[in-house]
Amino acid sequence: QSVLTQPPSVSGAPGQRVTISCTGSSSNIGAGYDVHWYRQLPGTAPKLLIYGDSNRPSGVPDRFSGSRSGSSASLAITGLQPEDEADYYCQSFDRTMSGSVFGGGTKVTVL
Amino acid sequence: QVQLLESGPGLVKPSQTLSLTCTVSGGSISSANYWSWIRQHPGKGLEWIGYIFSTENTYYNPSLESRVTIAVDTSKNQFSLKVRSVTGADTAVYYCARNGDFTPFEYWGLGTLVTVSS
Repeated sequence: QSVLTQPPSVSGAPGQRVTISCTGSSSNIGAGYDVHWYRQLPGTAPKLLIYGDSNRPSGVPDRFSGSRSGSSASLAITGLQPEDEADYYCQSFDRTMSGSVFGGGTKVTVL
Repeated sequence: QVQLLESGPGLVKPSQTLSLTCTVSGGSISSANYWSWIRQHPGKGLEWIGYIFSTENTYYNPSLESRVTIAVDTSKNQFSLKVRSVTGADTAVYYCARNGDFTPFEYWGLGTLVTVSS
């Protein structure tokens, strides 16, 4: 049972927009701690996609965007492309654990 | 460019100790960063195990704290993970990673699969 809650899967046709939610609590996202997002392709390590709620590292297309509201955060992918098929994870800090917490991951499928 | 690489046995017997090492290149282990271990059970999500910073300060996931030790070897620019009294539930891909104070895991190792089996 992950501390942060994500939908197991989302899907969309090429070119469409999909969003992935990440719901936390008052001890993590709701406490104001930054949310980060990672993308993981099969058999590889996760790679940072969004940091500090809505910032993109160099090289990440602007099709990817992040936002937060209250105890939740969201990752949006616009102009969905076949290569966007992957697992996506949110991550934040939890003050009860004094450490990092992850969402359970969301598998994005391009129809 | 910082690079991390995990190493250690891929097979550990139940009740024994799992030991992994992460070798850091392109940066100093003594820098002001957090050096973390994260694992991923087969087909499952990511689980933070713990981190060490300033070479001696450690924080562990409460669910694993009683069995886990993370340490730094500055002479080798490495940090390590030990998980004691392992069971099949410890079978996972183990990643080492670098983050900072409330900052993301920017650098990851390739990951290494550890199977607990007799």
